[in-house]
Amino acid sequence: KAGVTQTPRYLIKTRGQQVTLSCSPISGHRSVSWYQQTPGQGLQFLFEYFSETQRNKGNFPGRFSGRQFSNSRSEMNVSTLELGDSALYLCASSLGRGTGELFFGEGSRLTVL
Amino acid sequence: AQSVTQLGSHVSVSEGALVLLRCNYSSSVPPYLFWYVQYPNQGLQLLLKYTTGATLVKGINGFEAEFKKSETSFHLTKPSAHMSDAAEYFCAVSEVRTGNQFYFGTGTSLTVIP
Repeated sequence: KAGVTQTPRYLIKTRGQQVTLSCSPISGHRSVSWYQQTPGQGLQFLFEYFSETQRNKGNFPGRFSGRQFSNSRSEMNVSTLELGDSALYLCASSLGRGTGELFFGEGSRLTVL
Repeated sequence: AQSVTQLGSHVSVSEGALVLLRCNYSSSVPPYLFWYVQYPNQGLQLLLKYTTGATLVKGINGFEAEFKKSETSFHLTKPSAHMSDAAEYFCAVSEVRTGNQFYFGTGTSLTVIP
């Protein structure tokens, strides 16, 4: 069974640009969550999507947005990039029932110059 | 609100020695507890989880953890460290009411000395 796939793995952007990250969950998983990981703040929850609906949202500004498609694939977008947005963005999928375990992708490392 | 505290951001042990990584949590309802491991430039991999039932949980690679409600702790142990155990370890908590929103500790970097 294929794992969680995130693309791209690495990307470099400049301040003010926008970026879109993609996540393909494990087949059959309907929940996709996104986390931001930085050395200073650790792992912080961005949002979770279940059956194309945002079910939970973390404490991030509106520049961070996401969506989920009917095949459960998800994208997250960050607009007007700031230096502080440099981070590893991790996607995790789960069956979505209760608090089952999360299965993580390898992440997309974003560097903002 | 839930929170997780991992005592010790860096832990060093000798190869073959006991590994003990500490995790305390705060939760207003019975929590679900998890330990994840992260190797450089990779995502997180589940080591073990506690949901209900037996409080001593066994995971992969010889790791285990014990849920102690009275101490609000979920410490991770391994009797004998191996070089391949060197990695970052994260404790996490979630509650049924928040669905799949996990709260992670700040992580403990484990170094294994040959």
